[in-house]
Amino acid sequence: GAVVSQHPSRVICKSGTSVKIECRSLDFQATTMFWYRQFPKKSLMLMATSNEGSKATYEQGVEKDKFLINHASLTLSTLTVTSAHPEDSSFYICSAVPGQGSEKLFFGSGTQLSVL
Amino acid sequence: GDSVTQMEGPVTLSEEACLTINCTYTATGYPSLFWYVQYPGEGLQLLLKATKADDKGSNKGFEATYRKETTSFHLEKGSVQVSDSAVYFCALSHTGNQFYFGTGTSLTVIP
Repeated sequence: GAVVSQHPSRVICKSGTSVKIECRSLDFQATTMFWYRQFPKKSLMLMATSNEGSKATYEQGVEKDKFLINHASLTLSTLTVTSAHPEDSSFYICSAVPGQGSEKLFFGSGTQLSVL
Repeated sequence: GDSVTQMEGPVTLSEEACLTINCTYTATGYPSLFWYVQYPGEGLQLLLKATKADDKGSNKGFEATYRKETTSFHLEKGSVQVSDSAVYFCALSHTGNQFYFGTGTSLTVIP
């Protein structure tokens, strides 16, 4: 089946630093990728939708200047948490859709971010 | 807005026990309903889905029936195995792209 690789799986950083998370579709071209966040005991919440070559669409309440998303190619999307703070500590997970109009959704394994 | 409420875990069962993980939803219109499973160290994988009322999704011995009257999509398995230990997410989607997930339920099956 299709594979989505997400890296790193776990990161610990100091407050004020920036962290980049990569999401790659390994065996298909992903025109659309999604970024989710999950706080402890809360639902997986959609943060943003990114389409290759265009600006990401952010969900209400998600700061676009803090969570920078770049979808520069059909196989790679990155999420950069800028000037991270302890409240940004969360589980981040990406997903990708192969092609237009596909109903299939493939997920990465997630990144646990801890900001000290 | 759309949302999914899922039974809180963690759930611990002995091998061959029956499993039910409750899931109810709130949505406009008629979404498709899904169960995703996340095994340790892996991404979420689609387990089963149902696209309309009264449809039953099934896979790997798991079943869930789309109940419009009770807005539910409970996950069931008659006899769990150790290999079923994972986190299970209930979800809904109108478009097949944008999903609304529950909180996830962690299942541990002990021999």
